[in-house]
Amino acid sequence: AQSVAQPEDQVNVAEGNPLTVKCTYSVSGNPYLFWYVQYPNRGLQFLLKYITGDNLVKGSYGFEAEFNKSQTSFHLKKPSALVSDSALYFCAVRGVNTGGFKTIFGAGTRLFVKA
Amino acid sequence: NAGVTQTPKFRILKIGQSMTLQCTQDMNHNYMYWYRQDPGMGLKLIYYSVGAGITDKGEVPNGYNVSRSTTEDFPLRLELAAPSQTSVYFCASKGGTTDTQYFGPGTRLTVL
Repeated sequence: AQSVAQPEDQVNVAEGNPLTVKCTYSVSGNPYLFWYVQYPNRGLQFLLKYITGDNLVKGSYGFEAEFNKSQTSFHLKKPSALVSDSALYFCAVRGVNTGGFKTIFGAGTRLFVKA
Repeated sequence: NAGVTQTPKFRILKIGQSMTLQCTQDMNHNYMYWYRQDPGMGLKLIYYSVGAGITDKGEVPNGYNVSRSTTEDFPLRLELAAPSQTSVYFCASKGGTTDTQYFGPGTRLTVL
């Protein structure tokens, strides 16, 4: 069965410092991996995805994520956090061999960036 | 291009009442989804559709029904509202050649 775990409910970081939001997954076969961001009272917005190729994926707003197959992880990173990055972040996974509907979302990690 | 729109934004229902949450997308996407978001629980898939006339159950379909008569619209119906259905509901759509889902702004539903 597919699953995705975000081990931290909340991450606190000072503005200008690097940030990491963690995600691990379990899926049969090769994974499609995603990060979405949710701002207050808004729907989820796509940030980036890994399908195949380079393990380091670059996305919107300066975010990037590193796919690590041996550790089954897909951590979200940003070199220098902004206060405006404060939001709820969701990791999601889909097995390559499953249908287009079977995307599993993590419980979310709330990021607080302090000025 | 409005993307995915949902109405209403907020609704309060009494136990046993019924209502329909509306979802429309203007991107000509085949795939459409309904999720519910409960605090600390992430998103749970209620129903999905792979095209007009085709729908199927997700993880938590009990208490809900859907229809997909057109590519654009995917309404979600609650027949007998229960307090356990208090949640934020998101509609999403996806094109056939991409894995990226586009989400609507959500409907916050409270059942008292």
